[in-house]
Amino acid sequence: QQQVKQSPQSLIVQKGGISIINCAYENTAFDYFPWYQQFPGKGPALLIAIRPDVSEKKEGRFTISFNKSAKQFSLHIMDSQPGDSATYFCAALANAGGTSYGKLTFGQGTILTVHP
Amino acid sequence: DAGVIQSPRHEVTEMGQEVTLRCKPISGHDYLFWYRQTMMRGLELLIYFNNNVPIDDSGMPEDRFSAKMPNASFSTLKIQPSEPRDSAVYFCASSRLSQGGEQYFGPGTRLTVT
Repeated sequence: QQQVKQSPQSLIVQKGGISIINCAYENTAFDYFPWYQQFPGKGPALLIAIRPDVSEKKEGRFTISFNKSAKQFSLHIMDSQPGDSATYFCAALANAGGTSYGKLTFGQGTILTVHP
Repeated sequence: DAGVIQSPRHEVTEMGQEVTLRCKPISGHDYLFWYRQTMMRGLELLIYFNNNVPIDDSGMPEDRFSAKMPNASFSTLKIQPSEPRDSAVYFCASSRLSQGGEQYFGPGTRLTVT
């Protein structure tokens, strides 16, 4: 029930295209859904995050779409660029912002390659 | 701020040796996390601390692994004795409760056990 399932494992997109990565979860206690971006040799870095009280959040070319009833959320990268080539992880956290604090559960990761 | 600092960045050791990984979290952060990343298992949470106290160590693989946080600015992850299957990249991350779930990761320590 703690799992976050991420797909696809790898994704190849042409420059200017749209990259879409999907995640699904089971634990309804999750209340914070971040996406992390990791470049080779670096640690993951927070890219964008959403809470379940909204269905969409956009920051520049990056958008999270959230479907609470389906327990799914996705990352859309518009106008994908070669510099976006990285591994992307979705994650979920229960009790974020409360007095207790849960674990950040990560998806398996998606290796994105954007061809010029 | 300098971000989360980890040392060493690379460690190569022989099976059976003791390995100590070090982490300095971001000043003012009250949570510290240790993760392990491998191709096979992805990113795994090993243990995390709140205000220097271990909260959940259920991800620690076995008794060969131990972690300490003697003060708010320093933590260690120790493997004794090390085995080839411990080869991985180990990340430390920190966060502040008031910032919700945002965790800041260090650059990682690449451990190779031969």
